[in-house]
Amino acid sequence: AQTVTQSQPEMSVQEAETVTLSCTYDTSESDYYLFWYKQPPSRQMILVIRQEAYKQQNATENRFSVNFQKAAKSFSLKISDSQLGDAAMYFCAYRSATAGANSKLTFGKGITLSVRP
Amino acid sequence: NAGVTQTPKFRVLKTGQSMTLLCAQDMNHEYMYWYRQDPGMGLRLIHYSVGEGTTAKGEVPDGYNVSRLKKQNFLLGLESAAPSQTSVYFCASSYSKTSTDTQYFGPGTRLTVL
Repeated sequence: AQTVTQSQPEMSVQEAETVTLSCTYDTSESDYYLFWYKQPPSRQMILVIRQEAYKQQNATENRFSVNFQKAAKSFSLKISDSQLGDAAMYFCAYRSATAGANSKLTFGKGITLSVRP
Repeated sequence: NAGVTQTPKFRVLKTGQSMTLLCAQDMNHEYMYWYRQDPGMGLRLIHYSVGEGTTAKGEVPDGYNVSRLKKQNFLLGLESAAPSQTSVYFCASSYSKTSTDTQYFGPGTRLTVL
């Protein structure tokens, strides 16, 4: 079974600075997908970014980028120019790409990010 | 286009009572999921459905039942609620088996069992 580990329960960043959130995972599969979801106080789960394991290039979405290290099974999220609206809980998630898989997500426990004005 | 909606948003039950949570999606998605979120635990899959009329167990299915009689609806039932089922419940849906497809989440239901 796959597991996703987010070892830092909380992090804090100064507004306009850069912060990196860590995530590691364990799997025996070679083909899979990784995601970062944001959960603000409204509770809504919002997809921030996703990475296909077969792609060597790291995904980017505006101020959000990932550092995907397949051999190390590491998938960190970098938030540049942090804004007050980035304050939220962030979840790392894994999804198998195996044919016939039910495409369910396996989540880490999450990390609470606070942004200091 | 409302996306994924959940009813109700909040509910308080007494131990032993039953209730049904409704999830509806208007995106014609094939796959639907029920997760629960507990402090320090992340989201855990309860049950899921890969199409109308089909359901399957997830990671934590005990104490819950589900039904997918219509493609757009996925119901989560608690027959005899227990305090351990106090949680926030999320429904999600996705289009197909294509793993690049995004799961879209509803706004959640906060359930308290006294």
